[in-house]
Amino acid sequence: NAGVMQNPRHLVRRRGQEARLRCSPMKGHSHVYWYRQLPEEGLKFMVYLQKENIIDESGMPKERFSAEFPKEGPSILRIQQVVRGDSAAYFCASSKRGAGSSYEQYFGPGTRLTVT
Amino acid sequence: KQEVTQIPAALSVPEGENLVLNCSFTDSAIYNLQWFRQDPGKGLTSLLLIQSSQREQTSGRLNASLDKSSGRSTLYIAASQPGDSATYLCAVDNAGNMLTFGGGTRLMVKP
Repeated sequence: NAGVMQNPRHLVRRRGQEARLRCSPMKGHSHVYWYRQLPEEGLKFMVYLQKENIIDESGMPKERFSAEFPKEGPSILRIQQVVRGDSAAYFCASSKRGAGSSYEQYFGPGTRLTVT
Repeated sequence: KQEVTQIPAALSVPEGENLVLNCSFTDSAIYNLQWFRQDPGKGLTSLLLIQSSQREQTSGRLNASLDKSSGRSTLYIAASQPGDSATYLCAVDNAGNMLTFGGGTRLMVKP
């Protein structure tokens, strides 16, 4: 059973370009979470998605960032017009949830974005 | 708003020592608490998950305790080894939607 998969593992973009980060959850998991780890800072929640729905995007910057989790295919975190401050490690996690309780989140290896 | 604090920020011990890492949180209405390990430049490996109704969990040389009322958790590592060197992260799940992470404890175990 493959774990959470993220690609690419490393991504270099020039300022102003777009970055697309992909996350495939563990088999049987229908809940996906994105977190960001800025250099020398802790992990911060960005967005929580279920298939075709954004459940909580309270941690997403208001501009340039968007996320989706389509019916088919991986979840995508999209950053438009990247700036140097977007350089960070972006982690995806997935879980299998039930109503009224929470389940363990399993993390992918992360995508390290460098903006030059 | 939940805040999670980990003390100490860094710890260096000789091999073989037993050690305790501390995690405190401000909002005790949590679903669960997870301890993770992160190696430099790598992802997160889940070590232990404690549900809000539990007091502790054990896995091998690791033991994690949870005291919801006082907003504290400890991770106990027995007979530390150089391979245990990593950053240890504590994270709490409040709303069932997201994890709030502490800043981590950077552990170095010297041979």
